[in-house]
Amino acid sequence: EPEVTQTPSHQVTQMGQEVILRCVPISNHLYFYWYRQILGQKVEFLVSFYNNEISEKSEIFDDQFSVERPDGSNFTLKIRSTKLEDSAMYFCASANGTQETQYFGPGTRLLVL
Amino acid sequence: QKEVEQDPGPLSVPEGAIVSLNCTYSNSAFQYFMWYRQYSRKGPELLMYTYSSGNKEDGRFTAQVDKSSKYISLFIRDSQPSDSATYLCAMSYMKTSYDKVIFGPGTSLSVIP
Repeated sequence: EPEVTQTPSHQVTQMGQEVILRCVPISNHLYFYWYRQILGQKVEFLVSFYNNEISEKSEIFDDQFSVERPDGSNFTLKIRSTKLEDSAMYFCASANGTQETQYFGPGTRLLVL
Repeated sequence: QKEVEQDPGPLSVPEGAIVSLNCTYSNSAFQYFMWYRQYSRKGPELLMYTYSSGNKEDGRFTAQVDKSSKYISLFIRDSQPSDSATYLCAMSYMKTSYDKVIFGPGTSLSVIP
């Protein structure tokens, strides 16, 4: 069964450093998302992406965040200057727009020290 | 008032029990209702979805939506130890799979053999 993959599974970084989280969505999907889950809290929507542009973003997704689909297979989330409060599990998801679900990846656990 | 509320548990039941998980929501604009299961350190996995008020059954799982009360439920019959996970209710404003998903905080379930 096709699945969304994410790399790395864990990332530790120093405050102020840039990080790039990578996702490979399911190959025929057209809609891409990033969500995050701070430890002990709910899963929160960050951004959706379709047709090479952001469709919607939450108030969490400020100027420190950016997304890109650099080629036909990868979808990335960049955090320019990480803060302690960016420590969370980041989930990528994708959808083809016709099936009744978004498929979630296993997540990248980001720890900012 | 929070958009989606859910009793966090933990809920502990013996194997074979019927489990009832519930969520309330505040915004009557939600149209698409879902239940996700999340195992520890994994991404959310869609279990059930429904558009309208009423019941939907899939194997041991029944999802129930009452739009007039803004209340959704998930019932698990003949619960198994493998059902031990966190259950996330979720909803979106559009009847599509590509709208952002708003999650509840999740209920932690343990099924004891």
